[in-house]
Amino acid sequence: DSGVTQTPKHLITATGQRVTLRCSPRSGDLSVYWYQQSLDQGLQFLIQYYNGEERAKGNILERFSAQQFPDLHSELNLSSLELGDSALYFCASSGGTAVEEKLFFGSGTQLSVL
Amino acid sequence: QQQVKQSPQSLIVQKGGISIINCAYENTAFDYFPWYQQFPGKGPALLIAIRPDVSEKKEGRFTISFNKSAKQFSLHIMDSQPGDSATYFCAASMSNEKLTFGTGTRLTIIP
Repeated sequence: DSGVTQTPKHLITATGQRVTLRCSPRSGDLSVYWYQQSLDQGLQFLIQYYNGEERAKGNILERFSAQQFPDLHSELNLSSLELGDSALYFCASSGGTAVEEKLFFGSGTQLSVL
Repeated sequence: QQQVKQSPQSLIVQKGGISIINCAYENTAFDYFPWYQQFPGKGPALLIAIRPDVSEKKEGRFTISFNKSAKQFSLHIMDSQPGDSATYFCAASMSNEKLTFGTGTRLTIIP
């Protein structure tokens, strides 16, 4: 068990809808990362937060947004969903911002857009 | 834009054999190269990592070989076991920035 909790584990929704994915980092970890995993693209970095502030942005669509709350949990909001958004979304946490810090991944949220 | 190319996509190795997964990168500014292991239904977990100032790093049965001039690095799993069956991702980053992952290799170890 990595200590990172993601909910829900599975999410089925329709095109055009909006969903929220939730992540609780390991106790004491200040950094939260969001990744999207698809079969053809592998793991794509979306966004990183450190202690409530956005620190790095990757290939995140404008329809997607995220935030990290004072209690350090994070939410990834996906809106105007399209079929192509179907993927496994991972949250990871680490203690700080150094890339050599081990990332601890949650078990992911499997999103299916029908 | 795929900055880290990983091969093969899938690999079947007999128990006791050597599993080799290769990655090539384009950006010479990359300075940190980890490998992550992912079991079904789980998130990836850090397996081993290397900096380009060394050509090889070994941890137990897992070895990273790094060729800076060729911009390639590989993961070698010696004495492969059924418990090593998983998906392996290489990754790279530069200047303490985000990790860029390869597309993954599904490794299956058969008895």
